[in-house]
Amino acid sequence: AQSVTQLDSHVSVSEGTPVLLRCNYSSSYSPSLFWYVQHPNKGLQLLLKYTSAATLVKGINGFEAEFKKSETSFHLTKPSAHMSDAAEYFCVVSGRNNDMRFGAGTRLTVKP
Amino acid sequence: EAGVTQFPSHSVIEKGQTVTLRCDPISGHDNLYWYRRVMGKEIKFLLHFVKESKQDESGMPNNRFLAERTGGTYSTLKVQPAELEDSGVYFCASSNGLAGVWEQYFGPGTRLTVT
Repeated sequence: AQSVTQLDSHVSVSEGTPVLLRCNYSSSYSPSLFWYVQHPNKGLQLLLKYTSAATLVKGINGFEAEFKKSETSFHLTKPSAHMSDAAEYFCVVSGRNNDMRFGAGTRLTVKP
Repeated sequence: EAGVTQFPSHSVIEKGQTVTLRCDPISGHDNLYWYRRVMGKEIKFLLHFVKESKQDESGMPNNRFLAERTGGTYSTLKVQPAELEDSGVYFCASSNGLAGVWEQYFGPGTRLTVT
């Protein structure tokens, strides 16, 4: 069975500093992994996805994630946080029928 | 192109009442998914339609929940009778294929409050 664990429920950074949101996965086969973001009162938006191509995946808004099979990790990073990055972020693994298995979410706060 | 839409955005009902949630997927998307997030928990899969057929309903919590997708376009999710533990945010998503891994496009969700 597929599952993901987001290691931090809440991350707080200062504007202009790096962002690191951690995610570990468990999968019985080669997984497809995603990061989604949800801003208040908005739908879930895809940031980036890994589907067994390049292990370093670049997404929208300057985010990227690296698939590390040896560490079963798919951490999300951004070099410099912006106030508009404040939101909730979800790490997701795709099941066999393309149903999504979500992590518990990480709420990112960006301080001025 | 319009995204996935959901109606209503928020519903407040009393325990024992019935509520019907609606999802309109992106036009042409055969795959439609329902998910739910109850307070403090992760978003969980409920079921998956391919056109009008239920492909996987393993995540449906019990028989008080009924999902339909007549005609393979919009879908409804009915909760009857509603219980307090049904409170949460119900998300709908759609995608345009099964081969490979297809991005799912999510709606804004319906916040259901059962009092």
